[in-house]
Formats: sequence, structure tokens, C-alpha cells
Amino acid sequence: GAVVSQHPSWVICKSGTSVKIECRSLDFQATTMFWYRQFPKQSLMLMATSNEGSKATYEQGVEKDKFLINHASLTLSTLTVTSAHPEDSSFYICSLDRLYEQYFGPGTRLTVT
Amino acid sequence: QKEVEQNSGPLSVPEGAIASLNCTYSDRGSQSFFWYRQYSGKSPELIMFIYSNGDKEDGRFTAQLNKASQYVSLLIRDSQPSDSATYLCAVVSAGGTSYGKLTFGQGTILTVHP
Repeated sequence: GAVVSQHPSWVICKSGTSVKIECRSLDFQATTMFWYRQFPKQSLMLMATSNEGSKATYEQGVEKDKFLINHASLTLSTLTVTSAHPEDSSFYICSLDRLYEQYFGPGTRLTVT
Repeated sequence: QKEVEQNSGPLSVPEGAIASLNCTYSDRGSQSFFWYRQYSGKSPELIMFIYSNGDKEDGRFTAQLNKASQYVSLLIRDSQPSDSATYLCAVVSAGGTSYGKLTFGQGTILTVHP
């Protein structure tokens, strides 16, 4: 069965608004989750590492003030895209690792108009 | 130089043939190597992982790792149309704080035609 869920699966928002994406671990407690982004016809790029109870670690070039990550519990991490713009339109995927295997959520497709 | 490179596609093979997908990586200290399959509009799903030099077989899939050559490959035997997807090679580099920090190649699109 599914290990990771994401909500929503897709979202359309207007430019300038904020969007929150949830990532849930379904059957175990995850102290670390990961957020990836995938633009059309490109590969996945790690955006940040979400750490339960502490600040997220962002990859180079990712704006931490624009992509707010909160990992308040061992089963939930959220990514908020603030003041979204059309160039933020992408496929956002969270993941977690368990027993040295990484499991991906189903992804959230964000379209900013 | 890209950290993880895959052979440029798209790759087209007839049904029943062997599909060979290749990947090279730049960080000699890389420890773990993964192959994912991604269907259009979906998130990646793990096919295989390999840590040690040599071959690892799982059903129709065989992963091969050669750390000296910094090369990892995936063979798909008896290819089926349902294998048509983008195949992503991913690497966890040495010194990483977590197995979760994957670096992906650009992916190879595989088409298996009947």
C-alpha cells in the first residue's frame, strides 16, 4: 500500500497567492522528509530537506522565504509556495526514506495563472 | 559536468527485446544507486537499488554497478509495452547526511513497441 500521501493532487492558483501542499507519512514516523520539484520534461531536483522539529535545509538556489517548509509532526510536512508566480508552476513531489529505500508521494501539480 | 548522466534517448525497442539503460556519475565516493520508473504525470516508483559492485537481478530487471568506472546500468529483459516510461537513475553521494538526498539523472525515455 501507499507509504506517502500528498494533498492536493493538483491545484490552480492565481499569481500572487500562496499555496500549501501537504505530505503525509502513512504508516511510520518520519523525522526527515524531502521535497523535490520537477519541471516539464526535466528530472527531479531536490529543493529541501524537511526536519521534524527544526528548520528545513534548503538546496542552493532555492529561496527559503518563498518555499516555506513546516515539519511539525512525525507524519506531516507542508510546503507553502508564497506569492506564487507562473514560473513556479511545476510538479512538486515529497519523499521519505525508510530502511534505505526512498518512497515518493504521488505528487502535486501546481499551475499558477 | 553533470553529476549524474544518462544515455540520451529516446530509446525504442521491440517487444520481447532487451532494453539497456546506462548511467554514469561523477562523485567517486557515491554509495547507493537507484533506478526509478516514471510514467507520464506520475511520481517515480522504485525499480531497484544496488550498493555493491556486480549484478543484481530482480525478475526481468538486472542492475549492474561498476564503481571503478563510475557506471551503473539497468537491463530489462523481455521488454513489454507496459515498460514504456522514463527511467531515472539516482545516486546518493558520499558524505550525505541522509539516504534521502538523491541526485537524479535527466532520465531516458523508453518506448517498447509491439
